[in-house]
Amino acid sequence: GENVEQHPSTLSVQEGDSAVIKCTYSDSASNYFPWYKQELGKRPQLIIDIRSNVGEKKDQRIAVTLNKTAKHFSLHITETQPEDSAVYFCAAINGAGSYQLTFGKGTKLSVIP
Amino acid sequence: GAVVSQHPSWVICKSGTSVKIECRSLDFQATTMFWYRQFPKQSLMLMATSNEGSKATYEQGVEKDKFLINHASLTLSTLTVTSAHPEDSSFYICSAETGDTQYFGPGTRLTVL
Repeated sequence: GENVEQHPSTLSVQEGDSAVIKCTYSDSASNYFPWYKQELGKRPQLIIDIRSNVGEKKDQRIAVTLNKTAKHFSLHITETQPEDSAVYFCAAINGAGSYQLTFGKGTKLSVIP
Repeated sequence: GAVVSQHPSWVICKSGTSVKIECRSLDFQATTMFWYRQFPKQSLMLMATSNEGSKATYEQGVEKDKFLINHASLTLSTLTVTSAHPEDSSFYICSAETGDTQYFGPGTRLTVL
């Protein structure tokens, strides 16, 4: 089955700086990679996603890059703000199967004002 | 966007009792729903995949007789934790699939005394 590794587990940045979270996956058949933001006690919220036919996607301060050859994808947050503080999860889906999400272990991002 | 509700949001029960959690897709039909379990400071672990009108598919290590799943309609899946014990205390989150995107419910915090 799919295995998703996520690094780092914790990340502290100064407000205004950039944050980068990296994930690797094992199943070369995986073709959809969403990123979720989860605040304490709340549901995961989809913030951005990328499909395997695209190398990069950007939405305002958030971008995701995908390297299919190396089987890794990254989340980039620029001009970080305190409200970006949360736990971020990457995930992968093998679309040829049942659309089951395999999550990374999460990254706790703290943005210091 | 797609909305998924979950009820109850929190529940406290005595050891040995059963608890039912409902997951509803409010504005779309979901052939497939997923049930996750999340321990504090950990990632979401898939428990089972629930398909409308058929038996759920359980992940390895998840007891199907303890975690009963029913997906009777395209908008409702239920998870019943039978004979709950303190170690079943956790945050249970469902998600409903539309296309290849999963939308999460707000979660149910179960505490078993």
